[in-house]
Amino acid sequence: GESVGLHLPTLSVQEGDNSIINCAYSNSASDYFIWYKQESGKGPQFIIDIRSNMDKRQGQRVTVLLNKTVKHLSLQIAATQPGDSAVYFCAENLADYKLSFGAGTTVTVRA
Amino acid sequence: DTGVSQNPRHKITKRGQNVTFRCDPISEHNRLYWYRQTLGQGPEFLTYFQNEAQLEKSRLLSDRFSAERPKGSFSTLEIQRTEQGDSAMYLCASSQGQGARLDTEAFFGQGTRLTVV
Repeated sequence: GESVGLHLPTLSVQEGDNSIINCAYSNSASDYFIWYKQESGKGPQFIIDIRSNMDKRQGQRVTVLLNKTVKHLSLQIAATQPGDSAVYFCAENLADYKLSFGAGTTVTVRA
Repeated sequence: DTGVSQNPRHKITKRGQNVTFRCDPISEHNRLYWYRQTLGQGPEFLTYFQNEAQLEKSRLLSDRFSAERPKGSFSTLEIQRTEQGDSAMYLCASSQGQGARLDTEAFFGQGTRLTVV
């Protein structure tokens, strides 16, 4: 699979490979994080969330890892499919009701 | 469809005109949020309602913007005297919660894309 050590705005991945999308969050007090997927012309779609009392959470084909020491979040997508092509955003809850979104990573799946 | 619904999906307006957007949240959700997203950026928070009470407004929300949620169900966002800089995707989200934090995931609607010409 392909991985990105630092946040990059784009990621190209071969169909069937695993993808890793990275995100650095800003506030050490944030304790709730969400990954969203956004396809062109559509609103953000919830993928998976994680609270700060966990360091890993798994969903269907996706895994989120949280490293609070370095304020880093990652989303792993297993067996990437063409339908996974989208912009992926991480969002942190800044101790109130708001979500603060990262810059987004555009994932392109190559056939 | 029982998700968050926004209308219209697209709006083109001339500069100086007023526009109003509507959001119908997921029915059991008491919290409703408006966000704005410009091209290539992540969504930015605009305002938040818990039931019918507007509890927070971002500094991004100038006095030309007003949002209401009169009966704690649907919400409207009005922009008066639109400017070209208002062109963006306006997103509505909803969630369920009682505490002072975001308790559960927020679900977004498909957005209203506004173009001011």
